[in-house]
Amino acid sequence: EPEVTQTPSHQVTQMGQEVILRCVPISNHLYFYWYRQILGQKVEFLVSFYNNEISEKSEIFDDQFSVERPDGSNFTLKIRSTKLEDSAMYFCASSGQGAYNSPLHFGNGTRLTVT
Amino acid sequence: GENVEQHPSTLSVQEGDSAVIKCTYSDSASNYFPWYKQELGKGPQLIIDIRSNVGEKKDQRIAVTLNKTAKHFSLHITETQPEDSAVYFCAAHNNNDMRFGAGTRLTVKP
Repeated sequence: EPEVTQTPSHQVTQMGQEVILRCVPISNHLYFYWYRQILGQKVEFLVSFYNNEISEKSEIFDDQFSVERPDGSNFTLKIRSTKLEDSAMYFCASSGQGAYNSPLHFGNGTRLTVT
Repeated sequence: GENVEQHPSTLSVQEGDSAVIKCTYSDSASNYFPWYKQELGKGPQLIIDIRSNVGEKKDQRIAVTLNKTAKHFSLHITETQPEDSAVYFCAAHNNNDMRFGAGTRLTVKP
């Protein structure tokens, strides 16, 4: 069964550094999402992306965050200047027709640790 | 925006018993309600979902009910097994924005 893959599985960075988290969504999917999960807490919506632009974003997704689909397969989340509180699991997800018509498929996440 | 509340935060049952997890949502425009199971070190995996035009859906030992008027939806797992132990999340979807509940850690004791 096709799956969403995320790299790296664990990223350690120093405060103030830029990080790029990478995702390869399922190949025929059109809708892409980033979520984050601080340890032991709920899964929080960050952003959704369709047709090469952001569809929705949450209050968490401020100017420090950006997303990009640089080619036909990758979907990236960039954090420009990391803060300690950015430490979390970041999950990428994709769906074929938007979440109402086809469910979200999640990757196994990237654990970001900011020191 | 949408706000999803989930209860209980932890649930412990004996193998073979039933488990019920309840969620409420705030935005009456939400129209899709999936449930996800998250095992340690993995991303959430969809286990069942329900759309706003349906009141109940069942898939083997798992069922979900939806009360649109009250903005409640629930997950029911019957004949629980140790491998059902995980964190379960409900979610509510509106447009391109899906919000999760805080999760329920289910432990099934053999």
